[in-house]
Amino acid sequence: EIVLTQSPGTLSLSPGERGTLSCRASQSVSSSYLAWYQQKPGQAPRLLIYGASSRATGIPDRFSGSGSGTDFTLTISRLEPEDFAVYYCQQYGSSPFTFGPGTKVDIK
Amino acid sequence: EVQLVQSGSEVKKPGESLKISCKGSGYRFASYWIGWVRQMPGKGLEWMGIIYPGDSDTRYSPSFQGQVTISADKSISTAYLQWSSLKASDTAMYYCARFLYGDSPSFDPWGQGTLVTVSS
Repeated sequence: EIVLTQSPGTLSLSPGERGTLSCRASQSVSSSYLAWYQQKPGQAPRLLIYGASSRATGIPDRFSGSGSGTDFTLTISRLEPEDFAVYYCQQYGSSPFTFGPGTKVDIK
Repeated sequence: EVQLVQSGSEVKKPGESLKISCKGSGYRFASYWIGWVRQMPGKGLEWMGIIYPGDSDTRYSPSFQGQVTISADKSISTAYLQWSSLKASDTAMYYCARFLYGDSPSFDPWGQGTLVTVSS
């Protein structure tokens, strides 16, 4: 089973700041098989990024994904108030399709 | 609009059985995998398994194999998650999501979630 580790656990930032979230895999994952999700309190998760770097439909361009192999990054270029949430990465390289533990982005 | 609508919250006692549902609309239900994800209170997301409604091909996470049953009825565009004997540890929010299997897989969209509470 591929284990995903996300860091930091919590990221405290102010609106307008840049956020950089990390997702590390215990073994190499094809970049095509890495996705990022956003979950706000009381809501279902929402797809942000698929294929490590492709934005899902309707996702603002302040969200970007990058990485390959075992190291992936989600960057939020300028945080908006609605971006404060928990972010999860998920790998689809091998079953089970595991999620990372999440990074909470909260208001500083 | 592609949409997944899940059944409502459930409160059950340990040992009882339960079947929750996820109804798809706005797309050809039989042609896309559906997945289930658990979220225990205050915790992260856990992938449980997926099913292809077209032929009911099902894949389970080892953590959930034997603990739940995933099924689907393509004639009514509905997927199911069921338990034969609930435990208190099954208390969680359960989400279904359409699984886009292909060159760049992902879960999109997601249902609104079904809260299952198991308590004596």
